Amino acid sequence: DQQVKQNSPSLSVQEGRISILNCDYTNSMFDYFLWYKKYPAEGPTFLISISSIKDKNEDGRFTVFLNKSAKHLSLHIVPSQPGDSAVYFCAATISGAGSYQLTFGKGTKLSVIP
Amino acid sequence: EAQVTQNPRYLITVTGKKLTVTCSQNMNHEYMSWYRQDPGLGLRQIYYSMNVEVTDKGDVPEGYKVSRKEKRNFPLILESPSPNQTSLYFCASSLDPNSPLHFGNGTRLTVT
Repeated sequence: DQQVKQNSPSLSVQEGRISILNCDYTNSMFDYFLWYKKYPAEGPTFLISISSIKDKNEDGRFTVFLNKSAKHLSLHIVPSQPGDSAVYFCAATISGAGSYQLTFGKGTKLSVIP
Repeated sequence: EAQVTQNPRYLITVTGKKLTVTCSQNMNHEYMSWYRQDPGLGLRQIYYSMNVEVTDKGDVPEGYKVSRKEKRNFPLILESPSPNQTSLYFCASSLDPNSPLHFGNGTRLTVT
């Protein structure tokens, strides 16, 4: 049973436009969510996170939105840049367990076209 | 430089030949973990360790062993590798549950 779902395996966006990556979860116990970014031949790196007490968190060009009632979160990248081309993993966990018990989605490959 | 180092980066072996993938971190992190990444399946946790001499199974532990004799090292052992263990493996570490995971650059294993 997949508890964290990223239903779009890939996404292509023009440089300068907005990229929206989506993630759904089924476990209502999850209350902390993270996005990781992965370039080829490298390990994933932490990008941004959000706690369930918030519905939005911003860090520069990256914003994560959380809709608890829909069990849905999204990552917005504005404006998109070619260097943002990577695989993005959504991850979820329960407070207390934190990064020790992350459940990852399958990932979405973002391609930003110059 | 703070990092998680895995070796080797690439490994091709044959079925049944024991192998070890090493992982070392220089950040004094208590928590370490192994993941495998497969196409269409994302990242799945194999084993994790909360501290020295404390290890536990993740979601896909079958066919793997680990040990944590020192804080900085967390080797992954495949006693008798099989082709279904062909995958991309990542080691990760974290200071505490509220800190993000730091990943190594991966080990691509092929078992023929």
